[in-house]
Amino acid sequence: DSGVTQTPKHLITATGQRVTLRCSPRSGDLSVYWYQQSLDQGLQFLIQYYNGEERAKGNILERFSAQQFPDLHSELNLSSLELGDSALYFCASSLGGASTDTQYFGPGTRLTVL
Amino acid sequence: DAKTTQPNSMESNEEEPVHLPCNHSTISGTDYIHWYRQLPSQGPEYVIHGLTSNVNNRMASLAIAEDRKSSTLILHRATLRDAAVYYCILRNFGNEKLTFGTGTRLTIIP
Repeated sequence: DSGVTQTPKHLITATGQRVTLRCSPRSGDLSVYWYQQSLDQGLQFLIQYYNGEERAKGNILERFSAQQFPDLHSELNLSSLELGDSALYFCASSLGGASTDTQYFGPGTRLTVL
Repeated sequence: DAKTTQPNSMESNEEEPVHLPCNHSTISGTDYIHWYRQLPSQGPEYVIHGLTSNVNNRMASLAIAEDRKSSTLILHRATLRDAAVYYCILRNFGNEKLTFGTGTRLTIIP
């Protein structure tokens, strides 16, 4: 158990819909990262927040947005969903944000868009 | 980001040592070498990291070539639980994200 929790575990929805994925980091961790894992693209970094502020952006679509709240939990919002958005979404947290910090990953949310 | 090259798959017998290679010929002086692994149906987990010197921890050892253009993750005594995809990742100072490649799928034969 990494200490990172993600809800829900599974999500099935239809094209065009909007969903919110939630992540609670390990106690004391200030950085939260979101990654997407699909069969054709592998594991890809989406976005990072550090203590409530956006810190780095990766291959995140404009239809996707995220935020980190004062209690440090984070939410990833996916809108106008397409079939290709079906994937595993992982959240990770780390103590600060240094390049040597270990990232601890949650169990993931499996999103299926029908 | 500097790229890494790993074999797509490897097999090893249970209770034998496993050497997982990684090539990173374009590594820069400030790139740290990280290894993560992903067990089936789980999120990735940290294994080990290093900069220049060889490193050991309870999970594995990391051997880094003198010119730093390659490294090897060593599992000293593989168990069935070590079957996973192993990712070799370079992280530059100031670059906090993880850039995953395709990794090496390690199969452990009982």
